[in-house]
Amino acid sequence: GDSVTQMEGPVTLSEEAFLTINCTYTATGYPSLFWYVQYPGEGLQLLLKATKADDKGSNKGFEATYRKETTSFHLEKGSVQVSDSAVYFCALSEIGSGGGADGLTFGKGTHLIIQP
Amino acid sequence: SQTIHQWPATLVQPVGSPLSLECTVEGTSNPNLYWYRQAAGRGLQLLFYSVGIGQISSEVPQNLSASRPQDRQFILSSKKLLLSDSGFYLCAWGGRPYGYTFGSGTRLTVV
Repeated sequence: GDSVTQMEGPVTLSEEAFLTINCTYTATGYPSLFWYVQYPGEGLQLLLKATKADDKGSNKGFEATYRKETTSFHLEKGSVQVSDSAVYFCALSEIGSGGGADGLTFGKGTHLIIQP
Repeated sequence: SQTIHQWPATLVQPVGSPLSLECTVEGTSNPNLYWYRQAAGRGLQLLFYSVGIGQISSEVPQNLSASRPQDRQFILSSKKLLLSDSGFYLCAWGGRPYGYTFGSGTRLTVV
């Protein structure tokens, strides 16, 4: 079945550092890929997405590129801020993945801590 | 614009008590609806999904059930809660390729 693998952390960085959170996936077809962010005590917010190979999703300074050849969707940001501290989830959606109504298959989440 | 409401935000229930969590969506019709659970130290697990009124599919056999009595209403229930039912429950709507919108979640603690 489909699966998503990401580094779990916690990942601790200093403010203004460069961020990479790795995400790789296994899928039988051609999935859509997503990054979600969960701030403490809150639900999930869509951060960015990509629906086909070589697409780059971007939002709030974060970027991720859909790499079909390496089945990866790594999240990057050039200069992180304390307010970026959160849990980040990589996810994929494919017909039949996580449910017949094309639900999401999530990675386990990466806890990011940014220190001032 | 579309919005999703989920309540209550937090809930503490004794073992063996019933449960009812409600989720409603506004600004869209006939949405695909989902219930996810996030247990402590674990990822998000899809529990139920629904493609229409009265249509419920379960992904994981468990102590919970779901119902969709109206087009934009999705309810998660249990007749008797277990300790293992504790977690953060999230309702969502949407589908590929546009993405999914999540509610703010319900933190359930079974004591």
